[in-house]
Amino acid sequence: NAGVTQTPKFRVLKTGQSMTLLCAQDMNHEYMYWYRQDPGMGLRLIHYSVGEGTTAKGEVPDGYNVSRLKKQNFLLGLESAAPSQTSVYFCATSSARDVWSNQPQHFGDGTRLSIL
Amino acid sequence: LAKTTQPISMDSYEGQEVNITCSHNNIATNDYITWYQQFPSQGPRFIIQGYKTKVTNEVASLFIPADRKSSTLSLPRVSLSDTAVYYCLVGLNTGGFKTIFGAGTRLFVKA
Repeated sequence: NAGVTQTPKFRVLKTGQSMTLLCAQDMNHEYMYWYRQDPGMGLRLIHYSVGEGTTAKGEVPDGYNVSRLKKQNFLLGLESAAPSQTSVYFCATSSARDVWSNQPQHFGDGTRLSIL
Repeated sequence: LAKTTQPISMDSYEGQEVNITCSHNNIATNDYITWYQQFPSQGPRFIIQGYKTKVTNEVASLFIPADRKSSTLSLPRVSLSDTAVYYCLVGLNTGGFKTIFGAGTRLFVKA
């Protein structure tokens, strides 16, 4: 039972390069999220999805794009990486019984991204 | 979403009970209170959630007074492995959408 799997676990990029982070879940959860966590800080929501084919902006969406073509996968893309995007990225999922669900989130172990 | 305030850090010794209090003065009527735990190099892990009074599970207890303007996470008899950051979240959609994780409380358990 893998839960939430993030790939890659580590990556170093040069400024201007692009890359895609993959989040895969086997829990059949409707909601998926991407967060970033900077040193000594809490998590900030980048984008989220409430279902296959839908995405929405979170607190800090600029410089990122996302896609949810399949229910089990949520992709986070950096089109032109900048040093300010150096961070640890976490993917999370939650089930949803209704719009105002209070279901807890299940997190992956993160992707450490450094941009030089 | 209601703003939360919790201590930046706490120290404890193995075997002691640890209580971490979170203030949320402007909690709304329908808001739930949720606590997560995060170990280094891992994602946060759900610990407990409550609405009022007391909730207990195999990991922790959550005490919520009648006015719900604060809550206390209680960890019984902590061990070294409980050293982690603990986050308090308040909101109707604490499961997502505009979830706001503050800086959390860094708990350090000593031998």
